[in-house]
Amino acid sequence: ETGVTQSPTHLIKTRGQQVTLRCSSQSGHNTVSWYQQALGQGPQFIFQYYREEENGRGNFPPRFSGLQFPNYSSELNVNALELDDSALYLCASSLGQGPGELFFGEGSRLTVL
Amino acid sequence: QKEVEQNSGPLSVPEGAIASLNCTYSDRGSQSFFWYRQYSGKSPELIMFIYSNGDKEDGRFTAQLNKASQYVSLLIRDSQPSDSATYLCAVFGGGTSYGKLTFGQGTILTVHP
Repeated sequence: ETGVTQSPTHLIKTRGQQVTLRCSSQSGHNTVSWYQQALGQGPQFIFQYYREEENGRGNFPPRFSGLQFPNYSSELNVNALELDDSALYLCASSLGQGPGELFFGEGSRLTVL
Repeated sequence: QKEVEQNSGPLSVPEGAIASLNCTYSDRGSQSFFWYRQYSGKSPELIMFIYSNGDKEDGRFTAQLNKASQYVSLLIRDSQPSDSATYLCAVFGGGTSYGKLTFGQGTILTVHP
């Protein structure tokens, strides 16, 4: 157990809908990163939040957005869902003091029909 | 060209053998290199990281880095059936987004009794 919790664990949406995924980081960790992992692929970096500010973004469109709260928990929002958004969404927390160990949550499995 | 590429699998080795997992990366400025293990249906967990050229050993695992060849590998000695998983190579390219790792597609390892 990494101490990183994500919710919901599974969800099904239809194309065009919006979804919010939530993540509670490990105690004391002030940095949260979000990744998308399609079936059979490695995780792809979506963005990172450090002390409530986005400080890095991968190659994802603006309909992927996020928030980090004062307690360092985080949300990932995806608008106008597309079929290709079906994936495992992973949240990872870290201390943010240098590249190092990311503590991953168990993920949210999103299916878009 | 993929930024991080791993040897195609799946890789099957007998129990007790050495498993060799390879990874190449395209960004010559990459600074840190990580190996994660992901069991089916679970989230990635860090096995090892390496920053400097040469070998780094931790128990049955040895990571090897050759920056001139842009190559990093993971050797697993005395492989056990519990080592059966997908192994992900990840690279940190620099900057201040310390949670931004570029992952390879993964290599599936099966250790058979």
